[in-house]
Amino acid sequence: DAKTTQPPSMDCAEGRAANLPCNHSTISGNEYVYWYRQIHSQGPQYIIHGLKNNETNEMASLIITEDRKSSTLILPHATLRDTAVYYCIVRFRSGNTGKLIFGQGTTLQVKP
Amino acid sequence: GAGVSQTPSNKVTEKGKYVELRCDPISGHTALYWYRQSLGQGPEFLIYFQGTGAADDSGLPNDRFFAVRPEGSVSTLKIQRTERGDSAVYLCASSLKGTSGFYNEQFFGPGTRLTVL
Repeated sequence: DAKTTQPPSMDCAEGRAANLPCNHSTISGNEYVYWYRQIHSQGPQYIIHGLKNNETNEMASLIITEDRKSSTLILPHATLRDTAVYYCIVRFRSGNTGKLIFGQGTTLQVKP
Repeated sequence: GAGVSQTPSNKVTEKGKYVELRCDPISGHTALYWYRQSLGQGPEFLIYFQGTGAADDSGLPNDRFFAVRPEGSVSTLKIQRTERGDSAVYLCASSLKGTSGFYNEQFFGPGTRLTVL
């Protein structure tokens, strides 16, 4: 699975958009981009995933560059409850294993 | 509906002892995963079950670690001769694997915090 690179930490003001970047320059054609987050003392939580088109759901939007070498997770109106570690993961959606390979993630601190 | 549950939530044991950690996945989820998370690190994959069989155990660190899922639902992670380095949060996740063969999103439990003294 491709390796991802994320900034270790970011701050965001409550009510503003949080834009979390991820680099995955070695992504292959059939690998998807997934985002999970982990709030303190909880298990990770799925947010969103995409292949090449931009995606939006009730939690966030995912913007993938045309060359697929990077992506941005957007939380449109961050709240204090969005303070968490955010993980960007790339992997195939089919195959012999569905395991997730987590990096260090980005610690997002939403401030009042 | 109920999510993934894990018991116990905390386990303290002494070096050299045997421990069992239990995971109850979401009903109907055929795929089950175990991960281990050390302080300040992201979760690290241990083993993946599809139904009753271990389809990928490449993440188990050594032969002291073993996991079973005899009826394709509940899973138990077993650690023999525990060492202080085994101290971590052990996370379980479950998901559906669709008829198209695609893996769907994983739902994680709250984890079991294991402390080996």
